[in-house]
Amino acid sequence: GNSVTQMEGPVTLSEEAFLTINCTYTATGYPSLFWYVQYPGEGLQLLLKATKADDKGSNKGFEATYRKETTSFHLEKGSVQVSDSAVYFCALSVDSGGSNYKLTFGKGTLLTVNP
Amino acid sequence: EAGVTQSPTHLIKTRGQQATLRCSPISGHTSVYWYQQALGLGLQFLLWYDEGEERNRGNFPPRFSGRQFPNYSSELNVNALELEDSALYLCASSVGQGGFYEQYFGPGTRLTVT
Repeated sequence: GNSVTQMEGPVTLSEEAFLTINCTYTATGYPSLFWYVQYPGEGLQLLLKATKADDKGSNKGFEATYRKETTSFHLEKGSVQVSDSAVYFCALSVDSGGSNYKLTFGKGTLLTVNP
Repeated sequence: EAGVTQSPTHLIKTRGQQATLRCSPISGHTSVYWYQQALGLGLQFLLWYDEGEERNRGNFPPRFSGRQFPNYSSELNVNALELEDSALYLCASSVGQGGFYEQYFGPGTRLTVT
């Protein structure tokens, strides 16, 4: 089956610190990989995605590179802000040609950025 | 462009009752997905509808059911509510089938079962 493992946190950083949230996956088939963010009291927003090996997804200063050899999709940001405080979810979807387009999520990582 | 909308925002029910949650996808999106976000359990896939048909369901009992209407909006029904059904229910829509299509999420319906 498909699964996603991400560091559970919580992660607490000071403003302008470097962020890494690790994410590894197992998948039957060739997955597309996603990072979603959930701000307090809100639904999920797509942060970035990558659909094939070595692709780099980027948005709002966040980056993640699809590493097929290590089955990883780690999220990084060079300088976090207080407004980045949220829960981050790594997810995958496998286009197996059948009826399996659901997203499989990791458990989420709570990030708190202090001023 | 309007995003995915869900109603109601909050729903409080008593154990044994039925709950109905509604979702309107982004205009032009034909696929609707339902997820449950329960405390301690993370986000779990519930149901997927496309073009009015149920295409896939997650590991949930049959008392979780739903449908998709001709205008692609969707309804999730939970019968015989149990306390552990308390969760945030998220609806998402996508423009087509395929794992590479982005799913856009609504703000969710918070269901509380007492």
